[in-house]
Amino acid sequence: QKEVEQDPGPLSVPEGAIVSLNCTYSNSAFQYFMWYRQYSRKGPELLMYTYSSGNKEDGRFTAQVDKSSKYISLFIRDSQPSDSATYLCAFRNSGNTPLVFGKGTRLSVIA
Amino acid sequence: DGGITQSPKYLFRKEGQNVTLSCEQNLNHDAMYWYRQDPGQGLRLIYYSQIVNDFQKGDIAEGYSVSREKKESFPLTVTSAQKNPTAFYLCASISSGREAFFGQGTRLTVV
Repeated sequence: QKEVEQDPGPLSVPEGAIVSLNCTYSNSAFQYFMWYRQYSRKGPELLMYTYSSGNKEDGRFTAQVDKSSKYISLFIRDSQPSDSATYLCAFRNSGNTPLVFGKGTRLSVIA
Repeated sequence: DGGITQSPKYLFRKEGQNVTLSCEQNLNHDAMYWYRQDPGQGLRLIYYSQIVNDFQKGDIAEGYSVSREKKESFPLTVTSAQKNPTAFYLCASISSGREAFFGQGTRLTVV
């Protein structure tokens, strides 16, 4: 079983749609859960950072963590063409241990 | 402004040549990381350092070397032993127990 599973897409949606991106993981030691957005040929930028089960909202973005199911989600409301990018889920144990990444989901929002 | 600076943005390597990628951060972060990104494979960990003068191999360290003589700097050398070095290289740093921040990447191409 892979440590992190993420559907690579590509996912194509119309402008204004609600987007749901998901990752599953197998390592129970993961304590920190992150979502990064990466535009083509750029470094990833942090979107959401959580360390507990439940929901966290920031503007149009909502991150959801279900530790019991080992499942995390990112929801994007009122999606915009500027949201077109690759979205990476990332996980970490305690301290400064390295992040473990999903393979990324490529999203296109069509105007 | 605080951040992580990677240079150069593009780098070309001839067969049998060693090249060094620069990563500098002024965020006062203890831990620094190098990842390699290939299409469809997500980010894979090459090396990481949690403190000055100490570093550990990641999942794909063969053909690479690093040094950590200063807190701010974590250069990566791609040696001639790395048979398939063409990729996008990303440097990151982490503040204690928090999220990782990335540089803008170096695209290395073998010519």
